[in-house]
Amino acid sequence: DAEITQSPRHKITETGRQVTLACHQTWNHNNMFWYRQDLGHGLRLIHYSYGVQDTNKGEVSDGYSVSRSNTEDLPLTLESAASSQTSVYFCASRQENTGELFFGEGSRLTVL
Amino acid sequence: SQQGEEDPQALSIQEGENATMNCSYKTSINNLQWYRQNSGRGLVHLILIRSNEREKHSGRLRVTLDTSKKSSSLLITASRAADTASYFCATDLSSYDKVIFGPGTSLSVIP
Repeated sequence: DAEITQSPRHKITETGRQVTLACHQTWNHNNMFWYRQDLGHGLRLIHYSYGVQDTNKGEVSDGYSVSRSNTEDLPLTLESAASSQTSVYFCASRQENTGELFFGEGSRLTVL
Repeated sequence: SQQGEEDPQALSIQEGENATMNCSYKTSINNLQWYRQNSGRGLVHLILIRSNEREKHSGRLRVTLDTSKKSSSLLITASRAADTASYFCATDLSSYDKVIFGPGTSLSVIP
């Protein structure tokens, strides 16, 4: 069955370190998204991509970057992790025909 | 700023009762979607309503959309304890645009 997977599911890192969260989908969807979820804020859009080599900034993109070298993967990189980036991160891909988003199970990141 | 805002933030009802959640948004949209999130899990799509639709049903779910008021409601009929979750509305401006979520409604269904 097609799916979307995130790794790692849990990570603890130190302030200033570079961190990369992986997202892989097997639906061949062009649209992919990264969100962060914090108490009281719901899901906030970090970056999104319409296809290979395309990336766009979302609402809270500062301190984050993404790259799209193939259809299946959209890794999210925190160049220099900050405590304010402690959060749960969700990756999603969109089925173009229906507009429905499919979500991964999330990556919980703690920055000490 | 967020495109969608759910109301209420939290809702507690008895099993068997109906639950209604509302979503307001700010700009014209292509479609509006509702998602459910169980604690500690990813979001799961429930239903999508397009801007030219006014009402849609799926099982015990009923969604309405009022584009003149820029609002939508999600009704869950005959609620069950298993419906306990957070519910989010999400909007996109076009078929190839970003999807923005509201802060969500936390629903507790008491057995």
